Amino acid sequence: QVQLVQSGAEVKKPGASVKVSCQTSGYTFTRNYIHWVRQAPGQGLEWMGIINPTGGATNYAQKFQGRVTMTRDRSTSTVYMELSSLRSEDTAVYYCARDLRGGGFDPFDSWGQGTLVTVSS
Amino acid sequence: EIVLTQSPGTLSLSPGERATLSCGASQSLSSSYLAWYQHKPGQAPRLLIYDASSRATGIPDRFSGSGSGTDFTLTITRLEPEDFAVYYCQQYDTSPLTFGGGTKVEIK
Repeated sequence: QVQLVQSGAEVKKPGASVKVSCQTSGYTFTRNYIHWVRQAPGQGLEWMGIINPTGGATNYAQKFQGRVTMTRDRSTSTVYMELSSLRSEDTAVYYCARDLRGGGFDPFDSWGQGTLVTVSS
Repeated sequence: EIVLTQSPGTLSLSPGERATLSCGASQSLSSSYLAWYQHKPGQAPRLLIYDASSRATGIPDRFSGSGSGTDFTLTITRLEPEDFAVYYCQQYDTSPLTFGGGTKVEIK
């Protein structure tokens, strides 16, 4: 079955960077885009961006432009999300999610378990 | 960006009752590119409805979606104990993809 397994919780200081991984299995890696979504404590869901696992093309939400980098490793079917210049407002659970039909801008039918990133001095 | 407004913020109902959740978009969604998710604490969100009215795989038929343009509705015909959660709508018509603020369905 389709699985997205994320790396473990992280604690970072303000100004640092964090890199979260999302290892996929159970389907052909290049057939579906991967999105990243985050949820700050007590807040709703926020879309960060998307990566095409085939060629690596990305599209980031303007809010995160310049601070986020999404990459992929086809040999391990893993996608990465790196967020730099962390501040306390970046404390959140970060999710990777697969798009339903491989079209990119599509609903998300499978999700990782979430990775808590805490930014604190 | 397209802003999605969900109402009500909280819905207090009893098991067996009908739940009606609304999602309004700040501009019309072409092809009804709207989805609904269920989110429980400590879990990943779960896709319920996509393309405004199509049920995702494995979703019980007590969940249904309707609407087009700027007004969309998620209906849960008879609430089961496991249905008490937060529900989000999402548009995937235009980048950036956006979510509504959520509706919490709580036990009355």
